Amino acid sequence: EAQVTQNPRYLITVTGKKLTVTCSQNMNHEYMSWYRQDPGLGLRQIYYSMNVEVTDKGDVPEGYKVSRKEKRNFPLILESPSPNQTSLYFCASSTTGGPLVEQYFGPGTRLTVT
Amino acid sequence: AQSVTQLGSHVSVSEGALVLLRCNYSSSVPPYLFWYVQYPNQGLQLLLKYTSAATLVKGINGFEAEFKKSETSFHLTKPSAHMSDAAEYFCAVGNNFNKFYFGSGTKLNVKP
Repeated sequence: EAQVTQNPRYLITVTGKKLTVTCSQNMNHEYMSWYRQDPGLGLRQIYYSMNVEVTDKGDVPEGYKVSRKEKRNFPLILESPSPNQTSLYFCASSTTGGPLVEQYFGPGTRLTVT
Repeated sequence: AQSVTQLGSHVSVSEGALVLLRCNYSSSVPPYLFWYVQYPNQGLQLLLKYTSAATLVKGINGFEAEFKKSETSFHLTKPSAHMSDAAEYFCAVGNNFNKFYFGSGTKLNVKP
């Protein structure tokens, strides 16, 4: 089944404790992206990747890192999480053409930073 | 810079009534416009997209949207609402630089 998977689905952590949210897709997509969803703000793009070893900042990259060492994986790293990073995070992927074609979204990761 | 404005964070309609969800965009280049739907506790899925072909775009589940350049709008409509349409709907705009911008979302409530 074609899908985007994220792990963990739920995470509660404390300020300053490094964490990684994994994202994996099995559709051989070139483009991958991370978004955060906050009430009243919709989804905002954090980082995106056009292909392996090619990443760039979205609208709200501060406090986040990403890497794209393999085509299928695009982990989101929070080196020193803070409470304002409490949010619902979505990973998405799409074929050549990036977000201008259909993006396939993962199920989301709900992160709480205390 | 690009942005998307969705008027009305909550819209309530009766089953069988017309659904109209409003979206206005700003873009310095010809826009690629999208509507995505998010059902409770799920990720987003594509309803429809406009990429400079026909201005009236038909999507899944009976939804359609019309691109009006003069009004910078891309409103989503459905002639007759079903209970299963209750969800949150996001308008979005993409550009040729691979960035993507979502509106703040409109929650649709369908009353029996």
